[in-house]
Amino acid sequence: NAGVMQNPRHLVRRRGQEARLRCSPMKGHSHVYWYRQLPEEGLKFMVYLQKENIIDESGMPKERFSAEFPKEGPSILRIQQVVRGDSAAYFCASSPLPEGTGPLAKNIQYFGAGTRLSVL
Amino acid sequence: ELKVEQNPLFLSMQEGKNYTIYCNYSTTSDRLYWYRQDPGKSLESLFVLLSNGAVKQEGRLMASLDTKARLSTLHITAAVHDLSATYFCAVYSGGGADGLTFGKGTHLIIQP
Repeated sequence: NAGVMQNPRHLVRRRGQEARLRCSPMKGHSHVYWYRQLPEEGLKFMVYLQKENIIDESGMPKERFSAEFPKEGPSILRIQQVVRGDSAAYFCASSPLPEGTGPLAKNIQYFGAGTRLSVL
Repeated sequence: ELKVEQNPLFLSMQEGKNYTIYCNYSTTSDRLYWYRQDPGKSLESLFVLLSNGAVKQEGRLMASLDTKARLSTLHITAAVHDLSATYFCAVYSGGGADGLTFGKGTHLIIQP
């Protein structure tokens, strides 16, 4: 059972270009999360998606960033007109349907290896 | 806004010693995770703590949760070099969103 697959592993873009990051969740997982990690920092939640639905995008910058998780294919995090401050590691995580509801639902998130974006 | 603080942020210790990493969080939550990250790698799930007083152990690592104090600890017993990594605690903030709030991580170096 392959884990969470992210590609590319490394991405270099010049300022003003677009970056597209891909994430294929673990088999059987229907929930996808995107996080951003700056150097020496913890991960910051960006967005939570289920198939064809954005459930929570409270951590997404208001401009230039968008995410989708189509019915077929991987989840995509898209950054338009990148700036140097977008340089970071972007991690995707997936989880299965929670085991029940309420506080007993473990809902472990399984992380991919990340995409390291460098903006020149 | 939920805040998660870990300390220490950097820890250098010798093999064979014991130490504890602390994770404090600011608002009520009853689900806390510990992850390990090796340099340039992804995060590996270590423990899920779901209720007050929960204690989980795996090898030389033991994690506990005190929801009343809003504190979790990760205790390392008789450290070995292979445990060198960055350890993150993450707290579920609730509200149905399931996004985790992470601490800044504890960078642990274990020297022979």
